Amino acid sequence: AQSVTQLGSHVSVSEGALVLLRCNYSSSVPPYLFWYVQYPNQGLQLLLKYTTGATLVKGINGFEAEFKKSETSFHLTKPSAHMSDAAEYFCAVSAYNNAGNMLTFGGGTRLMVKP
Amino acid sequence: EAQVTQNPRYLITVTGKKLTVTCSQNMNHEYMSWYRQDPGLGLRQIYYSMNVEVTDKGDVPEGYKVSRKEKRNFPLILESPSPNQTSLYFCASSFSTSVQYFGPGTRLTVT
Repeated sequence: AQSVTQLGSHVSVSEGALVLLRCNYSSSVPPYLFWYVQYPNQGLQLLLKYTTGATLVKGINGFEAEFKKSETSFHLTKPSAHMSDAAEYFCAVSAYNNAGNMLTFGGGTRLMVKP
Repeated sequence: EAQVTQNPRYLITVTGKKLTVTCSQNMNHEYMSWYRQDPGLGLRQIYYSMNVEVTDKGDVPEGYKVSRKEKRNFPLILESPSPNQTSLYFCASSFSTSVQYFGPGTRLTVT
C-alpha cells in the first residue's frame, strides 16, 4: 500500500519569497515520486519526477524537489515565487508493479502568491 | 499535437439518468485511467486499463463502469448517477514509465 500526505492545504507567500511545499509518502517498494501543478480550470501538468539516481530533481519553471529516503519526504521548493506560480500542487507516489502505473495523490496544496 | 481529450467538459444531469464521459488519446499509450478530484482529497483513481480489453478497479470504482474496446478510447459510464458523484473527473494516459498525461477535466454536477 502507498499513501501521500501533503502538509498544509493552503500556503501563502510573498512574491520573491521562498516556496516550500511539503510532501511525505509511504510505500512498500522503492517509489517513483511526482509533483504535478494544476492552474485554475486546467488539467494537471507534470512539474518534475524522481525515479532513480540523483536525489535532487529539477523541474520546469524553476522548481526542484529532493528525495530523502530517511525522512520519506519529497518536498518541493522554488527560491523566488512569482505571481504566475499561484496554483494547486499535487504530490504523487507510484509503485510500478503488476497492477500498472498506480498513482496515489496527496490532497493537494493551494499556493497563493501575494504581491 | 499529443493530447488527451475529454467530452463533455461540463455536464449537469439528474439522478438516475445514464451518462457517458468520453476520453481519447492520440499518443498510442497502453495505459489509461480515470480519476475524480474532490476538495481536500486530491485525485482518486476510479478505474484503469493496461491495454485493450484489460480493465481493473482503482480506489473508488463503485457506481462507475469503463470499457476499452480500442486503444485510444476509454469512456467512463455512470449507469445511474447520484449526487455524491458530483465531482471533477480527469482521464489520463501513459506508456509504462508512470508519467501520465492528463486531459482537461470534466466537471459533473448531479442534482
